Amino acid sequence: DAGVTQSPTHLIKTRGQQVTLRCSPKSGHDTVSWYQQALGQGPQFIFQYYEEEERQRGNFPDRFSGHQFPNYSSELNVNALLLGDSALYLCASSLAGVWLAGGSSYNEQFFGPGTRLTVL
Amino acid sequence: DQQVKQNSPSLSVQEGRISILNCDYTNSMFDYFLWYKKYPAEGPTFLISISSIKDKNEDGRFTVFLNKSAKHLSLHIVPSQPGDSAVYFCAATAGGGGGYQKVTFGTGTKLQVIP
Repeated sequence: DAGVTQSPTHLIKTRGQQVTLRCSPKSGHDTVSWYQQALGQGPQFIFQYYEEEERQRGNFPDRFSGHQFPNYSSELNVNALLLGDSALYLCASSLAGVWLAGGSSYNEQFFGPGTRLTVL
Repeated sequence: DQQVKQNSPSLSVQEGRISILNCDYTNSMFDYFLWYKKYPAEGPTFLISISSIKDKNEDGRFTVFLNKSAKHLSLHIVPSQPGDSAVYFCAATAGGGGGYQKVTFGTGTKLQVIP
């Protein structure tokens, strides 16, 4: 089991450009969440996808958008990049069935290694 | 608005001693609390969690304590080992409608265990 994988590992863009980051969830997982981790900060929730729909969203502008594919993989798109978008972008996958079944109030999220985005 | 706070950015402990990492939260809707551990160049790894209906949860060397009235939780590591050296994130979630999970993280505490 490869766990959660993300690509690319590193990326350098300039202001105003657009970027697409990719995530493949852990085998058997159907829910993908994206987080932004700025230097010296904890991960900040961007949004979560389940059944190809955005289910929850954090306090991020519309420049941040995403997509989930039928195979549960996901993309994070950021338009009109700003210097402040430089961060580590983390993808986490989980299994919805745990909480959909009304069981544990938390379904453990498994994180990928992240994509380091630098905006110049 | 930082809803989950870790006021100690770093902590150094001698091997074999107890490490205590602290966390405070402000959102009364949080009903589940977690600790994640992060090594450099890796994503956070889930360590231990506690539901708001409990005040203690133990898993081997790791114990999490929750004081709801004080909105405070702590992670105890006994005994501390050099391999425990990492950044520890406190996190919290509120069940919410539909059960979709939005996890709110603290800023992290860097633990160094000295051999």
